[in-house]
Order: sequence, then structure tokens, then C-alpha cells
Amino acid sequence: GESVGLHLPTLSVQEGDNSIINCAYSNSASDYFIWYKQESGKGPQFIIDIRSNMDKRQGQRVTVLLNKTVKHLSLQIAATQPGDSAVYFCADYSGGTSYGKLTFGQGTILTVHP
Amino acid sequence: NAGVMQNPRHLVRRRGQEARLRCSPMKGHSHVYWYRQLPEEGLKFMVYLQKENIIDESGMPKERFSAEFPKEGPSILRIQQVVRGDSAAYFCASSQSPGTGSGPQHFGDGTRLSIL
Repeated sequence: GESVGLHLPTLSVQEGDNSIINCAYSNSASDYFIWYKQESGKGPQFIIDIRSNMDKRQGQRVTVLLNKTVKHLSLQIAATQPGDSAVYFCADYSGGTSYGKLTFGQGTILTVHP
Repeated sequence: NAGVMQNPRHLVRRRGQEARLRCSPMKGHSHVYWYRQLPEEGLKFMVYLQKENIIDESGMPKERFSAEFPKEGPSILRIQQVVRGDSAAYFCASSQSPGTGSGPQHFGDGTRLSIL
């Protein structure tokens, strides 16, 4: 079936390092991808998105890379800070009969050590 | 606060009772989505609604669960005769339009439902 999943469930980095969080998706028809950050006790917070006609998109300290050939998505966080510690989810629009349905991956726990 | 508002933040019910979860979308958003999150897991889609219409309820359990988004007022997720397995965090999201047309869905901070 269609799914979006993550390679690594946990990632620990030192403050100031760059972080890379990976995501694999299986639906070749997916055309829109989103990264969310979820802090404890809160809802998912939008970080950055990318459409399937792009390979790369940059935001403030974050970059998303999309490799459609191998159906892989990554989130790069530059100069990681303790405030970046959270669970990170990738999600995609499944399209098809429901253009509103987001499919979420399992999540990666990012821990930033001062 | 112009974000997605959910209430209550925490809800405790005994088995067999009813749970009602409310969601007010962001201003200007007419599309509402409900998701459920179990501990240590990602969010699972439940239902997608527009005003007075259910567009996709493919993620809703067949029994005991219902959702509405009336012309006036918040969207309601209703769970009848709750069981322990219904304990989870329930998140609501909204968008201006479905799909990729207007960007991502924006989420509220959820309702944490605990069943005794």
C-alpha cells in the first residue's frame, strides 16, 4: 500500500552541527511533500514543503531535498540548536480520491545536545 | 490567536461515555481534517470535511465515530461509547483549499483523550 516512512527513528547531534533527517515514500504519484516539527504536547508545526517538480527548496536554516528516482526525501537543518529538539515527520498528499488526505511517516526524534 | 483552535485540550471519559472534540479552523479556511495519533506514532488520517459536507471519511472507524462541520460553528468529532483503545491525541488541521493549491495544512495543538 501507499506509505511514507523514515529510515532512522532517533538522531542525536551536538549544538552547531548540521542535521539530516531522511524519509522514504512509496507512492510514485505523490506530488507534494511536507516536513512538520512536533514538540511535546503540541501539534505538528509546518517547517517546509516541496512539490514534485522541484529537487530542492531552502528556507531559513532548513533545506529539503527530493529524489524522485529513489523516492527519497530529506530535511537538512543547519547549525542545529537545542530548540530544534523535537519529533520530525514527513508527510505527503496521497491524492487519488481524497486530495485532502496527508499520509505521515513514523517520525524521527531529534535530540540536540548543548 | 488566528491559528487552529481545539478544545478541550484534555478530556477524560469512562468506558461507554461519549466524547466530543471541537475544532475551529484558521480564519479564512473552509477545509478541516481530523487525525489521530497514538503514542510514539505518526498521525493517521481520519476524515476530511468542508462546510456541511464530508468529503473523505476513509480513515474513520465504521462504528461509534462521526464528524461534522456545520455551516456555523466549529467542526465536531464525536466518539460514542468510548473504549480504552480510543485513548489517543486527536488533531485537527485546516487549509484554504484541498490538495496542494494553497499550501500545507495547519494543525491545532490537539485534544488528548484518556479513557478510564
